[in-house]
Amino acid sequence: NAGVTQTPKFQVLKTGQSMTLQCAQDMNHEYMSWYRQDPGMGLRLIHYSVGAGITDQGEVPNGYNVSRSTTEDFPLRLLSAAPSQTSVYFCASSDGWPSYNEQFFGPGTRLTVL
Amino acid sequence: SQQGEEDPQALSIQEGENATMNCSYKTSINNLQWYRQNSGRGLVHLILIRSNEREKHSGRLRVTLDTSKKSSSLLITASRAADTASYFCATDGGGGADGLTFGKGTHLIIQP
Repeated sequence: NAGVTQTPKFQVLKTGQSMTLQCAQDMNHEYMSWYRQDPGMGLRLIHYSVGAGITDQGEVPNGYNVSRSTTEDFPLRLLSAAPSQTSVYFCASSDGWPSYNEQFFGPGTRLTVL
Repeated sequence: SQQGEEDPQALSIQEGENATMNCSYKTSINNLQWYRQNSGRGLVHLILIRSNEREKHSGRLRVTLDTSKKSSSLLITASRAADTASYFCATDGGGGADGLTFGKGTHLIIQP
């Protein structure tokens, strides 16, 4: 099993550009989530999904969109990149709600917005 | 908003010594989890302790939970250089479907 994979590993954008961060898992997990990690801030939840077709907002959803058309994939879209979105983005999945189950994290995408 | 807060922010010890990190949180929880993050990598789950448990062991790891004080501690015994990493506690804030809330982490350095 590859676990949770994320692409790209690094990305540089200009302000106003849009892009999609890809996340896929091969463990048949229903629950998937996106976090951002900023220096000194810990991880903050952006969006999460409890199954295909179901998504909801986390703590910091503004400027991001998600969709979940399949169990395996959970892409994160930046609509119009801003310097404040410079961060490291992590995708995670779990076999059930995260509060009761181990979350498996991807390796992260380091995004810089100029 | 941050639910869990780790203490200390940074810790440097000699190889072979024990390392203790603490986590405090604000609201009632169902469970508390500890994760490790090596530099430049994703987080790795270490241990989950339920709100009705007081202590849990996994290899060289010992986690305690005191719900009356809203605090948890992670003890790593006989530390190794490979234990150098950041350690995060994560709580659920009493919910279920929502994602976890992570603290800012303790950066642990094991000196050879």
